[in-house]
Amino acid sequence: DGGITQSPKYLFRKEGQNVTLSCEQNLNHDAMYWYRQDPGQGLRLIYYSQIVNDFQKGDIAEGYSVSREKKESFPLTVTSAQKNPTAFYLCASSIDGTNTEAFFGQGTRLTVV
Amino acid sequence: AQRVTQPEKLLSVFKGAPVELKCNYSYSGSPELFWYVQYSRQRLQLLLRHISRESIKGFTADLNKGETSFHLKKPFAQEEDSAMYYCALRGYNTDKLIFGTGTRLQVFP
Repeated sequence: DGGITQSPKYLFRKEGQNVTLSCEQNLNHDAMYWYRQDPGQGLRLIYYSQIVNDFQKGDIAEGYSVSREKKESFPLTVTSAQKNPTAFYLCASSIDGTNTEAFFGQGTRLTVV
Repeated sequence: AQRVTQPEKLLSVFKGAPVELKCNYSYSGSPELFWYVQYSRQRLQLLLRHISRESIKGFTADLNKGETSFHLKKPFAQEEDSAMYYCALRGYNTDKLIFGTGTRLQVFP
C-alpha cells in the first residue's frame, strides 16, 4: 500500500526530553516537509528537504532538527529547546517539479507534560 | 518572502448558497497556488491547483496576479463541502510550500 506514514499517532513525553517523530514514504518522492498545525494558525513550515542529505529551515525551525539520510525517510526531532512543543505535526512529500501535489501523512499528536 | 493570507477563520452558509473563500498571497516571482482541503477525520488533500484551471467538486479558483489573490468559489454549497480549506503557495523553482491559516467552511442544511 503506497503512501506516507507517520508514527506514532499519539506521543507523550516529559518536559526536557528530546523526542523523534517518524515519517516514511514509499512514493519515491524527492521533496519532504514537516509542518506544525495549531488551532487558528494553520500549517507552519518547520523544515523541508528537496533531496537526500539536504534540508532547509522553514519559518519555525527553532527547537527542531531533521535528517534526510534516505530518500524515503525524514525524521523530525523536537528538542528540549522548543518552548511550546505540544502540537499536531504533519509530514508531507511531493515529486520534485512544478505544480506538483503534496501528499500528507495522518499526523502525530505530541503532548509534552 | 512568501506569505499566504486567509482572512476568514470561519465561513458559515446555508446549503445552496454561493461560497467564496478568500486567499491573498505575497511573492515576488511567479507563484504556484493550490487549495487543499481537510474533511473531518481525513488527511489533508489537494483540491485544485491554479495551473490546471479545472473545476473540482464544483469549486473553481482563478489566479488574479494584479490583486495577488486566488479565491476559491462555488456557486451552490453542499453540506458535504463542510471542511477546513487551506490556500498554499510554492515559489517558482523551489520546493518550499507554505500554507495559510485556513478557513473552516460550515454548510448548514
